[in-house]
Amino acid sequence: GQNIDQPTEMTATEGAIVQINCTYQTSGFNGLFWYQQHAGEAPTFLSYNVLDGLEEKGRFSSFLSRSKGYSYLLLKELQMKDSASYLCAVRDRDYQLIWGAGTKLIIKP
Amino acid sequence: TAGITQAPTSQILAAGRSMTLRCTQDMRHNAMYWYRQDLGLGLRLIHYSNTAGTTGKGEVPDGYSVSRANTDDFPLTLASAVPSQTSVYFCASSPAGLAESTDTQYFGPGTRLTVL
Repeated sequence: GQNIDQPTEMTATEGAIVQINCTYQTSGFNGLFWYQQHAGEAPTFLSYNVLDGLEEKGRFSSFLSRSKGYSYLLLKELQMKDSASYLCAVRDRDYQLIWGAGTKLIIKP
Repeated sequence: TAGITQAPTSQILAAGRSMTLRCTQDMRHNAMYWYRQDLGLGLRLIHYSNTAGTTGKGEVPDGYSVSRANTDDFPLTLASAVPSQTSVYFCASSPAGLAESTDTQYFGPGTRLTVL
């Protein structure tokens, strides 16, 4: 079967750096997405990786290793507003998006 | 710009009743999707539509039906609701459709449905 694994919950301190990992086993690979979802709100797009390496976008970066079935989302200079769930999703060979359950990130002052 | 709107925001429904969740997008996106989100689980695809006039089944289609009469609207109908359909329902759209690797999905605000 297809599977996306992420930690259920993480805690970090305001101003620090946090890395949220995602491992996947899917039927084929056509890209990996990260979304942010604040409590009670809709998921919003953060980043997309299809080639190995790091994609940087302001305070957020996303890394992909296709050979290892692994990605991480790196958040720098954490702010209280970064408290949210972070969803990892992989597009498989049929172009279906397979979603992880999400990582709830708690930021403490 | 509105993007994607969903109605109602929340609803309590008696088991056995029918209900239609509405979804409208104003971005002229080709593809639209319905997901349900349950605690501890990832988003699960119910139905999708790659373009107006076509629909397809997702991972959990049983008990749900959809139609795509035009580009903008993608209603989801529960013919006879059951308590296991209690969930948060998200509608999403994307510019191109499923066969594009870079195609990014954009989500509506969700409908919280409780079936008693």
